[in-house]
Formats: sequence, structure tokens, C-alpha cells
Amino acid sequence: ILNVEQSPQSLHVQEGDSTNFTCSFPSSNFYALHWYRWETAKSPEALFVMTLNGDEKKKGRISATLNTKEGYSYLYIKGSQPEDSATYLCALLAGNMLTFGGGTRLMVKP
Amino acid sequence: DAGITQSPRHKVTETGTPVTLRCHQTENHRYMYWYRQDPGHGLRLIHYSYGVKDTDKGEVSDGYSVSRSKTEDFLLTLESATSSQTSVYFCAISELPGMNTEAFFGQGTRLTVV
Repeated sequence: ILNVEQSPQSLHVQEGDSTNFTCSFPSSNFYALHWYRWETAKSPEALFVMTLNGDEKKKGRISATLNTKEGYSYLYIKGSQPEDSATYLCALLAGNMLTFGGGTRLMVKP
Repeated sequence: DAGITQSPRHKVTETGTPVTLRCHQTENHRYMYWYRQDPGHGLRLIHYSYGVKDTDKGEVSDGYSVSRSKTEDFLLTLESATSSQTSVYFCAISELPGMNTEAFFGQGTRLTVV
């Protein structure tokens, strides 16, 4: 069983704040690191898939970085908006298994 | 949206009865996964499939079995449902892992075991 950990578990920020979350994973047998956004009552949707050490990806105000040697990834949200409120999941692909962390629940107050 | 459908969407069943959940895809993706969602645990992998008749256990497979007789269908069976299996179940599909491809999720099945 792969141990994928996310921190913090939850986060409350004010609209306009920038924030970041961490995903930690075992670096051996690494294939890819995924980030998903999961809104209440919906299904998770992919934000990024990263495969190379040093990868940086960006989508609008959201970006992510990857360090496979030390086994972590950061997700950044710049200028948080209330519509960013969701649970953010990371998942490690190793072998054929896609293993998720417990998620970071973000709540953005107007 | 990826063509992935879960059925049923909601089910209430009694303890001790067998239950089968279905995941159907129209994307011809090779990989299919079953997860359960529980408070404080995120998504936990139950079983996965990497091809027709090729399946393997995930981290919480006890009490569950799966079958994949054709590419488009992945069935999850609770052999004798227990209250601890009350959860929301998600199916996901993916093309070849390692090819920089994401997973797509179904809408979820809410199962209540009474």
C-alpha cells in the first residue's frame, strides 16, 4: 500500500488570499503525480498530470510543481476566489495503481 | 465529458445480501478502477483492472470482488454486504498510465447497507 499524504487536511482563507497545499509520496517506482479538484456533490476532475522531476504546470490561477527525488508536490492557488472552494486531491500512479491522498479541503470566504 | 456511467446511482440493501455495482465506459480505455469515499479517508482503491479479465486488489479489497469480461464493463460485487460497506463508490477510467493521461470519474453510487 502506497502512503500518499496531503497537508493540511483543511484550510480556510479569505477571498484574494494565495494559498498552497502539499502532497507527499514515496519516490520509488514513480510514474506520475495527479492533482484533482473535487467539488461537493460532483465527481473529481483532473487539474494536472505531472511525470518529470521539476515539472511545473499552470492553469489560470492554479499551478503545481513536482519533486520526484524528495517525493513531494505543491499546488498553488493565487488570489483565491469563492468558486475555488473544493477538496483538492493528489494521486500517485505507481505500477498500475492510482492511489489517492486524503485531500485538502479548501474553503474561501467572500 | 468522458463516457462513463455508474449504475445504480443509489441503492439501499440489507446486511448479508449480495450487491453488484456496474461501471460502463464508451471510451475504450484499458484501465478501470473502483474506489470508495469515506469521511476522512478521501478515495480508497478497492480493485482495479488493466485489461479484460485482468484485475488486481487495491488497499481495501476485503469483502469485494470484481469482474471484467469486456472492455466497457467493470463490475464490483459485495459478496455479503455489511454496514461498514455503506459508502459512496466511484468508478474511474484511464488510458495507459505513464502516458501523461488523467483519470475520468463516474458520478458515483451511494450505497446504504441497513
